[in-house]
Amino acid sequence: GPKVLQIPSHQIIDMGQMVTLNCDPVSNHLYFYWYKQILGQQMEFLVNFYNGKVMEKSKLFKDQFSVERPDGSYFTLKIQPTALEDSAVYFCASSGGQSLAETLYFGSGTRLTVL
Amino acid sequence: QQQVRQSPQSLTVWEGETAILNCSYEDSTFNYFPWYQQFPGEGPALLISISSVSDKKEDGRFTIFFNKREKKLSLHITDSQPGDSATYFCAARGATGYQNFYFGKGTSLTVIP
Repeated sequence: GPKVLQIPSHQIIDMGQMVTLNCDPVSNHLYFYWYKQILGQQMEFLVNFYNGKVMEKSKLFKDQFSVERPDGSYFTLKIQPTALEDSAVYFCASSGGQSLAETLYFGSGTRLTVL
Repeated sequence: QQQVRQSPQSLTVWEGETAILNCSYEDSTFNYFPWYQQFPGEGPALLISISSVSDKKEDGRFTIFFNKREKKLSLHITDSQPGDSATYFCAARGATGYQNFYFGKGTSLTVIP
């Protein structure tokens, strides 16, 4: 089936540093999402992105977070500066459209550890 | 406020038994409910979904029962197999405007051979 690729799979950084998580969404998909998951628990919505713009973001999407998809390449989540509570697995997802039954395709996640 | 709730948090069944996973939601405008299956170290993958115009959706051993009046769903896994051991997430979204998917906290299912 369609694949969403996330790079890297693991990232360890010191608190206060910047980190960029990369996502290669399904080809021809138009809608992109980031979710945060802690300890294999609930998937918490962070942000969704369409046509070069953030469409919706949650309270978890702090000012230190930003997303972009320059020139149709990777969809990125940047955290600057990082904090201890940012440690989690971040999942990227994409979908082809906004029809009712549109499926979200998830990547395998990037495990971020902030020391 | 938790938009989507799941129970139980964890469930253990014997191989061949039927596992029943429950889900409820708050927002009456939600009208599409996918269930995602997640194995350790992987991202969630769509398992089966239902829209609010139906009260039942079946796909092989997996069946969703939907009660719109009570805002409840359940996922039944018949003839459970050890390979079904995973975390199952119930999700919900509406159809008005640009709608996000809201996920429950998941049910961790273990199937004992």
